[in-house]
Amino acid sequence: DAGVTQSPTHLIKTRGQQVTLRCSPKSGHDTVSWYQQALGQGPQFIFQYYEEEERQRGNFPDRFSGHQFPNYSSELNVNALLLGDSALYLCASSSGLAGVAELFFGEGSRLTVL
Amino acid sequence: LAKTTQPISMDSYEGQEVNITCSHNNIATNDYITWYQQFPSQGPRFIIQGYKTKVTNEVASLFIPADRKSSTLSLPRVSLSDTAVYYCLVGDKAPGRRALTFGSGTRLQVQP
Repeated sequence: DAGVTQSPTHLIKTRGQQVTLRCSPKSGHDTVSWYQQALGQGPQFIFQYYEEEERQRGNFPDRFSGHQFPNYSSELNVNALLLGDSALYLCASSSGLAGVAELFFGEGSRLTVL
Repeated sequence: LAKTTQPISMDSYEGQEVNITCSHNNIATNDYITWYQQFPSQGPRFIIQGYKTKVTNEVASLFIPADRKSSTLSLPRVSLSDTAVYYCLVGDKAPGRRALTFGSGTRLQVQP
């Protein structure tokens, strides 16, 4: 059983460009959350999707947007990239009734903005 | 959400027991204490969760005093592979749809 898979694993962009990151949740999970982790910091919550809608949002500008598909997979889009957007982007999946032990993170997509 | 405070870093040697303490003075009655482990370039992984007294699993033990204003994660006989960042989180037991709030964590370095 595959866990949470994310793609791409690494990518390099330049300022002003746009990026799309993808996440497939663990089998049986319907909820996907995205986190941004800057170097040396803990993960920061960006937003969460279930039933194909954004349900919660952290303190991130609307340059950060997302989508969830009928198969529960999700995309994170970041427009007008800034140098400060360089980070590890983590996807976490769960189900609505899951306890914390059933929250699974992927290995992340490392974005470098030049 | 209750704020947590942990040491920034700790050093240990293989075979020793490591205790990482987390302060959470404003913990609410319904809050649980949860610890995650994160290796470089990987996502965090659940280690253990507790509400009061002591919880033990195959990986670690969690000690929580009666006032619940702090907790201690205990890793018995650490190995080099335990080198990681450890995060203490406080919140609902079942955050299947709750945003987690991570601090900066404790960076544990285990040396031979």
